[in-house]
Amino acid sequence: GENVEQHPSTLSVQEGDSAVIKCTYSDSASNYFPWYKQELGKRPQLIIDIRSNVGEKKDQRIAVTLNKTAKHFSLHITETQPEDSAVYFCAAPSHTGTASKLTFGTGTRLQVTL
Amino acid sequence: GAGVSQSPSNKVTEKGKDVELRCDPISGHTALYWYRQSLGQGLEFLIYFQGNSAPDKSGLPSDRFSAERTGGSVSTLTIQRTQQEDSAVYLCASSLQGHFYGYTFGSGTRLTVV
Repeated sequence: GENVEQHPSTLSVQEGDSAVIKCTYSDSASNYFPWYKQELGKRPQLIIDIRSNVGEKKDQRIAVTLNKTAKHFSLHITETQPEDSAVYFCAAPSHTGTASKLTFGTGTRLQVTL
Repeated sequence: GAGVSQSPSNKVTEKGKDVELRCDPISGHTALYWYRQSLGQGLEFLIYFQGNSAPDKSGLPSDRFSAERTGGSVSTLTIQRTQQEDSAVYLCASSLQGHFYGYTFGSGTRLTVV
């Protein structure tokens, strides 16, 4: 099955700086890579995703890049704000026969300090 | 409904008792997933439903865990003879048609076994 590794496990940045979180995956057939944000005590929410036919996708201050050759993808947050503080999870598809599901990384706790 | 609804939001049970957790997905979402999140940990896959069938049960930790889905809608996760290690937040997610469209998560059920 798919193996997703995520780094770093914790990240502290000053407000206004950029933050980068990296993930690697093992299944070269994987074709969809979402990122979820989970605020303390809340449900994970999809913030951005990328499909394998593009190398980069942006949405305001967040962007995701994908390198299919190296099998890694990254989340970039620019001009960080205190409300960006949360745990971020990357994910990649994992297949069992004809069924598929998302396998999640172990999460990155981002702390944006004033 | 407008979102994924889970009940109860909190459950405290004595070791050895059975518990049932309920998930009501977004109307029209054919795919339904159960994940478990232990304190400060990542998202551990339990089971995937497509319609009423479960093509992937590979994440269920033991035969004390079972799940069903009826009418292509509501799902129930049952844990028999609960143990302290079952304490976690149980998250349900639904998707329009498989992982490729991303998940919408419910708020979860926090299970505490005492």
